[in-house]
Amino acid sequence: DAKTTQPTSMDCAEGRAANLPCNHSTISGNEYVYWYRQIHSQGPQYIIHGLKNNETNEMASLIITEDRKSSTLILPHATLRDTAVYYCIVRVLDYKLSFGAGTTVTVRA
Amino acid sequence: DVKVTQSSRYLVKRTGEKVFLECVQDMDHENMFWYRQDPGLGLRLIYFSYDVKMKEKGDIPEGYSVSREKKERFSLILESASTNQTSMYLCASSPLYAQGALPFEQYFGPGTRLTVT
Repeated sequence: DAKTTQPTSMDCAEGRAANLPCNHSTISGNEYVYWYRQIHSQGPQYIIHGLKNNETNEMASLIITEDRKSSTLILPHATLRDTAVYYCIVRVLDYKLSFGAGTTVTVRA
Repeated sequence: DVKVTQSSRYLVKRTGEKVFLECVQDMDHENMFWYRQDPGLGLRLIYFSYDVKMKEKGDIPEGYSVSREKKERFSLILESASTNQTSMYLCASSPLYAQGALPFEQYFGPGTRLTVT
């Protein structure tokens, strides 16, 4: 699996966009980028995934660079409930989820 | 909404005890999973099941077994609990890939924090 690098933590103001970077310079052509988050004392929650193109859903947008070596998860209007640990994962299409340390995002009022 | 429930949020057991962790999902998903999550080690797959009575080992199956007698229920069994099995245990479910969902789109329960003393 391609290794990912995320910042340890970041703060965001409520109502502003939160941009979460992820580096995955060794990504292979058949590996997807996907994101999960985990709110304190809850199970992980799937957010979004992408292969080559940018993607948007009701929760977030995923911007993948043309060379696919990095990506950014965008939470368009962060709320206090978005405070969580966010995990960027790069992996082939299989069932084995595996998270590392992630980015702790704190949304402040 | 998909709902995955786990029998206990917190559990304390003694070394050597047999421990059962229960998971129930209400969305008729074929796939169910057991993970453990530890600081510094992240999330790791223990076992998964793609059908009733079917199971496959994940990355760390040693010391665990599973049971799936009904589609909605998946149990994790610690035959003889040890202190190194103190962890957060997370159950997840997902529909089949053939039904349009990608394999990593899994729905998690709230977790069971198990302490073995």
